[in-house]
Amino acid sequence: QKEVEQNSGPLSVPEGAIASLNCTYSDRGSQSFFWYRQYSGKSPELIMSIYSNGDKEDGRFTAQLNKASQYVSLLIRDSQPSDSATYLCAVNDDAGNMLTFGGGTRLMVKP
Amino acid sequence: NAGVTQTPKFQVLKTGQSMTLQCAQDMNHNSMYWYRQDPGMGLRLIYYSASEGTTDKGEVPNGYNVSRLNKREFSLRLESAAPSQTSVYFCASSEGWQVAYGYTFGSGTRLTVV
Repeated sequence: QKEVEQNSGPLSVPEGAIASLNCTYSDRGSQSFFWYRQYSGKSPELIMSIYSNGDKEDGRFTAQLNKASQYVSLLIRDSQPSDSATYLCAVNDDAGNMLTFGGGTRLMVKP
Repeated sequence: NAGVTQTPKFQVLKTGQSMTLQCAQDMNHNSMYWYRQDPGMGLRLIYYSASEGTTDKGEVPNGYNVSRLNKREFSLRLESAAPSQTSVYFCASSEGWQVAYGYTFGSGTRLTVV
């Protein structure tokens, strides 16, 4: 069974710090990787996608992918209290037709 | 610009009752999905429809049926609700067969079965 693993947290960081969220996946055939943010009681919102090994930056967010080690990470620089949410890692299957989600990491940014 | 619309937003059912969750998207997406989300379990795929006229089982299909009514609409039916189906249900859509661009989610349906 394909698996996507995340530490459930909570991960607590002070305002202005870097938050580092990690995810490992089991399917070596996966090609597309996503990070979603989910506020309490809301639906998941796509914040980053990455397809190639290395780093991809978008504003305060950086996604990192290492296919050889089968992990993907999300860095949030200058963390703000508004970043407090659950972050879901998602990986496509090798046929490319659906996403498998990790259980999510709850991030708390303290003022 | 509605995106993905789910109805109802909240529902309470008695054990054994049936209901249909509705989902519609206005983005001309080909693929649509139904997930459930339970505390500590993440999002689990119930059924998906890669294109109009096709449906396939996901990870947790038991107790559910789906209908891809047309390209816009994908409904989820609970024939005989059970307390284990208490969950938050999300509908999602993606641009194509290859989910290279991720999903767009609806706002969810909170279902309680008593």
